Amino acid sequence: AQTVTQSQPEMSVQEAETVTLSCTYDTSESDYYLFWYKQPPSRQMILVIRQEAYKQQNATENRFSVNFQKAAKSFSLKISDSQLGDAAMYFCAFRETSGSRLTFGEGTQLTVNP
Amino acid sequence: SAVISQKPSRDICQRGTSLTIQCQVDSQVTMMFWYRQQPGQSLTLIATANQGSEATYESGFVIDKFPISRPNLTFSTLTVSNMSPEDSSIYLCSVAGASYQETQYFGPGTRLLVL
Repeated sequence: AQTVTQSQPEMSVQEAETVTLSCTYDTSESDYYLFWYKQPPSRQMILVIRQEAYKQQNATENRFSVNFQKAAKSFSLKISDSQLGDAAMYFCAFRETSGSRLTFGEGTQLTVNP
Repeated sequence: SAVISQKPSRDICQRGTSLTIQCQVDSQVTMMFWYRQQPGQSLTLIATANQGSEATYESGFVIDKFPISRPNLTFSTLTVSNMSPEDSSIYLCSVAGASYQETQYFGPGTRLLVL
């Protein structure tokens, strides 16, 4: 069974600074998808970024980028120029290519200090 | 991405009663899912709602407790039956298309408190 681990329950960053959230996963599959979702206090789950395992290039979406290390089974999220609106719980998630279920990590609560 | 709505957005219920949560999507989708998020915890998949057939439940979740309907490609319901305080959670609906490349998108959630 796949597992997803987020070892940082809480992180904080100063506004305009950069922060990196860690995620590791365990799988025997070679092809899969990885995601970062953001959950603000409204509890709405918002997709931040996704990475296909077969792609070597790291995904980027504006201020958000990932460092995908397939051999190390690591998938970290970097947020540049942090904004107050980035404050939220961030969940890393895994999905097999052949399946549909998402396996989530325990989440990292990000605080952005003005 | 699809626009997903859930009703109710929140509710307070008495133990022993049942609540039905609705999930509506603005376009036809192949896959619909129901997740539970207990206080301070991550999301756990309850079941996959299949159109025209019974839902597929994850380990630890049973149809008698969480009956699901999926009458068409844009709508699903989840019922939380015979509720107890342990059922107090956020229940989230998510959707995805037919392609294996499809990303899951989530509804706004239903916050349930059982007294």
